[in-house]
Amino acid sequence: DSGVTQTPKHLITATGQRVTLRCSPRSGDLSVYWYQQSLDQGLQFLIQYYNGEERAKGNILERFSAQQFPDLHSELNLSSLELGDSALYFCASSALAGGYADTQYFGPGTRLTVL
Amino acid sequence: AQSVTQLDSHVSVSEGTPVLLRCNYSSSYSPSLFWYVQHPNKGLQLLLKYTSAATLVKGINGFEAEFKKSETSFHLTKPSAHMSDAAEYFCVVSDTTGNQFYFGTGTSLTVIP
Repeated sequence: DSGVTQTPKHLITATGQRVTLRCSPRSGDLSVYWYQQSLDQGLQFLIQYYNGEERAKGNILERFSAQQFPDLHSELNLSSLELGDSALYFCASSALAGGYADTQYFGPGTRLTVL
Repeated sequence: AQSVTQLDSHVSVSEGTPVLLRCNYSSSYSPSLFWYVQHPNKGLQLLLKYTSAATLVKGINGFEAEFKKSETSFHLTKPSAHMSDAAEYFCVVSDTTGNQFYFGTGTSLTVIP
C-alpha cells in the first residue's frame, strides 16, 4: 500500500458527460501528479501540482483540468467525455516539487469507462 | 529530450531462472531512472531508482539494476524468478527537474511453473 488513495475505483459514464476523480496524497507529500494509462497510448503524464500550484504540464487535453486544494488532495475533472477517454487514471504523490531526490508513489487508479 | 525504450514487450522465464528486462534511455543530462512494477488491476509500485549515486542499484524483492552510461542502459535483473514476479514492468526516466516522468511501453513478465 503506497499511502495514496484514489476514488472512485471504477466509473462508468456516457459520452459528453463530466466526471471528477479524486486523489489523496501520502501524508506529508506536497506534490500530486496525474497520469492516464490506455492501451494505445501507454502511460502518459498529464499534470503536476505542488502545494496548491500547477507545477508542470504534460499531455493534458483542454477538456481536462485539475486542482489541488489546501488540504493537498487533488481532483481531476474530465469534461465532454469521448470514447477515447476510457482509461485508467493514476494519481501519484511525492514529498518535494521534483528533482533527483524525489520519488513518486502511485495510487491504485480509477478505471474510467465511457460508453 | 528524455525517453526510454524497453526492448522486449514480453518476457517468459521459468520459475527459479534468472530474469533480465532490458531498458535503454535517452537523456540530455544525467538522468534519474526508475523501475516500477504493476500487478494486474493494481497501481504502480517502485522497485528501485538510480539518482547518480552507486551504479548498481538494489531494489525490493531481490531485483537490481545497473546503470551503464556508456551503453545508455538500465537493465533490470533478478537471479531467480518467483511466480509472484509475473507482472508488467515499466522503466522510467525523469527530466532534469524531476517533475516529468517518461514511461517506457512496459514489459510483461510471465513466469512459467
